[in-house]
Amino acid sequence: QKEVEQDPGPLSVPEGAIVSLNCTYSNSAFQYFMWYRQYSRKGPELLMYTYSSGNKEDGRFTAQVDKSSKYISLFIRDSQPSDSATYLCAMRPYTGGGNKLTFGTGTQLKVEL
Amino acid sequence: DAGVIQSPRHEVTEMGQEVTLRCKPISGHDYLFWYRQTMMRGLELLIYFNNNVPIDDSGMPEDRFSAKMPNASFSTLKIQPSEPRDSAVYFCASSPTGLAGGYEQYFGPGTRLTVT
Repeated sequence: QKEVEQDPGPLSVPEGAIVSLNCTYSNSAFQYFMWYRQYSRKGPELLMYTYSSGNKEDGRFTAQVDKSSKYISLFIRDSQPSDSATYLCAMRPYTGGGNKLTFGTGTQLKVEL
Repeated sequence: DAGVIQSPRHEVTEMGQEVTLRCKPISGHDYLFWYRQTMMRGLELLIYFNNNVPIDDSGMPEDRFSAKMPNASFSTLKIQPSEPRDSAVYFCASSPTGLAGGYEQYFGPGTRLTVT
């Protein structure tokens, strides 16, 4: 079993929909949780990060962490065609392991007009 | 800064040939990572360096793969001999040491490798 599980999709939604992307993990040492966005034929770019549990909002994006359930989510409100990309969750412990991140396999999202 | 630079962007080679991928990290970043991405396996960490020293190479699939970082501004990933199953996109990423060890990795554009 992988340390981080993520549904690969693809997920197709109409423009303006609310999108929910999720990851589960098994390592209770993970403390930093990140979402990367990867456009086609590009490298991943950091979208948001949270430390420990709770919510974080940035514009149309909200990241949630539930450490008790080992479950993290990314919500996208008022989705736009420009949000079409692959979204990868990533996580790491507070200390140890250098700057090594453990990634999910990514969820492919398509927002259609 | 220009970001992480990788070359070549595309590489097509025949099975058995040697392949060398190159990476220039962002200046001042002391961590460098090599990843491989495929549809089936997602993004896999192959090896990472801290201050030019290899720290964890447990993701290197086999002895055909080797990586070096001779100085802070250059790293190579070599595959010798290459096989069709090595076909993938190879990413280099760099990261600074942050307050808690950092969390953001900056990725290059990737090298798309096709081995026929």
